Amino acid sequence: NAGVTQTPKFHILKIGQSMTLQCTQDMNHNYMYWYRQDPGMGLKLIYYSVGAGITDKGEVPNGYNVSRSTTEDFPLRLELAAPSQTSVYFCASSLGQGRAKNIQYFGAGTRLSVL
Amino acid sequence: GNSVTQMEGPVTLSEEAFLTINCTYTATGYPSLFWYVQYPGEGLQLLLKATKADDKGSNKGFEATYRKETTSFHLEKGSVQVSDSAVYFCALSGNNNDMRFGAGTRLTVKP
Repeated sequence: NAGVTQTPKFHILKIGQSMTLQCTQDMNHNYMYWYRQDPGMGLKLIYYSVGAGITDKGEVPNGYNVSRSTTEDFPLRLELAAPSQTSVYFCASSLGQGRAKNIQYFGAGTRLSVL
Repeated sequence: GNSVTQMEGPVTLSEEAFLTINCTYTATGYPSLFWYVQYPGEGLQLLLKATKADDKGSNKGFEATYRKETTSFHLEKGSVQVSDSAVYFCALSGNNNDMRFGAGTRLTVKP
């Protein structure tokens, strides 16, 4: 079972460069999420999507963009990278809303350094 | 808004010791509560959940009871093992499906 797959696992980016973090899930989940995890902190929601073609901002969306053209894929784009975006990024998915569907499944993460 | 506060770490225990990690929450309505575990180099995995007051979630010897009167969801295990060393996150999911995580508690179990 692949579940949620993120690539790359590690990346070093220079200030001002752009890149896309890839996320794909094979569980046919409607909901997908992007979080960042800073040292000693919990996860902060960047963006989420409730289905193909629908995205919305989370707590910390500035400096990021997302798209959701298919149910499976939810890439996260960093434009003009800044050192403050150095973090570990996690993609997650869930079946939907409600008590039976709101368990989130996580990828292994992308560790990003902006230097 | 909704939020979760959990016990600061790190926590270091000897094998077979009793574990408690405290978690309290603030929420409107009737949230679902979760404990997730993150092993080194991996993403978060669901450990257990509870969806209504007085529910007890349990898995792998871990337990947590949804206490609405004290707005708490403390994680317990009677006898920890070295393999339980990980970071534990308390989380809640509100009516609009937004998930809020605590800061995480790092547990190290020594042989």
